[in-house]
Amino acid sequence: KQEVTQIPAALSVPEGENLVLNCSFTDSAIYNLQWFRQDPGKGLTSLLLIQSSQREQTSGRLNASLDKSSGRSTLYIAASQPGDSATYLCAAFPNDYKLSFGAGTTVTVRA
Amino acid sequence: SQTIHQWPATLVQPVGSPLSLECTVEGTSNPNLYWYRQAAGRGLQLLFYSVGIGQISSEVPQNLSASRPQDRQFILSSKKLLLSDSGFYLCAWREGLSPLHFGNGTRLTVT
Repeated sequence: KQEVTQIPAALSVPEGENLVLNCSFTDSAIYNLQWFRQDPGKGLTSLLLIQSSQREQTSGRLNASLDKSSGRSTLYIAASQPGDSATYLCAAFPNDYKLSFGAGTTVTVRA
Repeated sequence: SQTIHQWPATLVQPVGSPLSLECTVEGTSNPNLYWYRQAAGRGLQLLFYSVGIGQISSEVPQNLSASRPQDRQFILSSKKLLLSDSGFYLCAWREGLSPLHFGNGTRLTVT
């Protein structure tokens, strides 16, 4: 069974600092990995999807890397802003339909 | 473009009452559909997924059931709610192995 872990569970940084969020998974036989953002009381918003053949994906200030051999993915958010405050979740897609989610990292960016 | 609709946004139901949550997707055909539950302070739990009309896979044995009467409609039901059914219910869809997209969720409180 695929297990996904996100450490730390919570993170607080001053505005302008770069954010580094970690995601680890136990089974390297994943098809792809997706990062999401969740605001309080809301659904999940897709941020980035990394295919298993890719090493990274970028969108604006966001960059996500994937290292299947070590079972890790990292989400980088450059020059953090208070609006980046949210919970960030990663999900590993195995070769069937059962996605495995991490518990998330709750980020607070202090103005 | 594709959109997902989930309703109601909030629901308060007494123990023992029935439940029906509905999710519809627009702008896509034959999507994979998912129901997740997110309990307070916990990660996402996959409840059901469907790869086609009438095809439902259950991940967690409990008093909930799901149905897919139409290609883009996914319904979560219960005949008798328990207190432990309280939580945040999220519908999601994806086309093949494309990114997973979530609805805005339903906050269910069982009293």
